[in-house]
Amino acid sequence: QKEVEQNSGPLSVPEGAIASLNCTYSDRGSQSFFWYRQYSGKSPELIMFIYSNGDKEDGRFTAQLNKASQYVSLLIRDSQPSDSATYLCAVVVTNAGKSTFGDGTTLTVKP
Amino acid sequence: GAVVSQHPSWVICKSGTSVKIECRSLDFQATTMFWYRQFPKQSLMLMATSNEGSKATYEQGVEKDKFLINHASLTLSTLTVTSAHPEDSSFYICSARDALNSYNEQFFGPGTRLTVL
Repeated sequence: QKEVEQNSGPLSVPEGAIASLNCTYSDRGSQSFFWYRQYSGKSPELIMFIYSNGDKEDGRFTAQLNKASQYVSLLIRDSQPSDSATYLCAVVVTNAGKSTFGDGTTLTVKP
Repeated sequence: GAVVSQHPSWVICKSGTSVKIECRSLDFQATTMFWYRQFPKQSLMLMATSNEGSKATYEQGVEKDKFLINHASLTLSTLTVTSAHPEDSSFYICSARDALNSYNEQFFGPGTRLTVL
C-alpha cells in the first residue's frame, strides 16, 4: 500500500461543475495535509493546507480532513478551464519532516 | 512572500560534465530544503532533504556521490549533478520550508530542466 494514494484519474468535469479530488494516507501520525496544483511543465504551487478535522474554505476551494478515516479531499467549486492541472496531495508526519506526495490526479475542465 | 528561486531554469550539457543548480529562498529563512526530480508524466520523486549546516539525507536509491547537495546558508542550497549522463535528463525542483512556519508548508522553486546530450 502506498503511503499516500489519490484517485488514479484522469478526472473530467464540465465548466461550472464541482470537481472532487480525494486522497487517503496510511500513517495515523500524519499532522499536516497539503494540496498542490501543478500545470504541465511547471513546478507545484501550494493551494491549501489543513491540519484539523473538518472543512477549510478558501475562495472556490474547500479542503476536507477526516483523520479517523485517514482521508483528505479537495473540492473545487465553479470549475474553470484554468483549473485543468494535476493536483497533488501531500502529507507530513511532523517528526519525519518531509512531505510524502501522492502520484497526483489530473483534472480537465471542459468549456 | 515565500518565494523560492532556482537557477538556471534550463541547462543543456554534454555527457560527462557536471551541472550545478542553485535554490534560493528570497524572503524567508529555510532551515530545510528538499530536492525532487520529475520525469515526464511521472510523479515527484524526493531525492534528498537538505538541512542548513549539516549533511543532506538522501532517499534510498539516490547516489549521494553523483548528486552533491550543499546547504551552506539559510537561504541557499545547491545540487550538483556530477558526470551527468543522458539518463539524468529530468526536471529538477527544489522546495524550501520556512523555519518559522509551524505547519510544515513547502514552497517550490520554478524548477530546472536538465538535458544531457
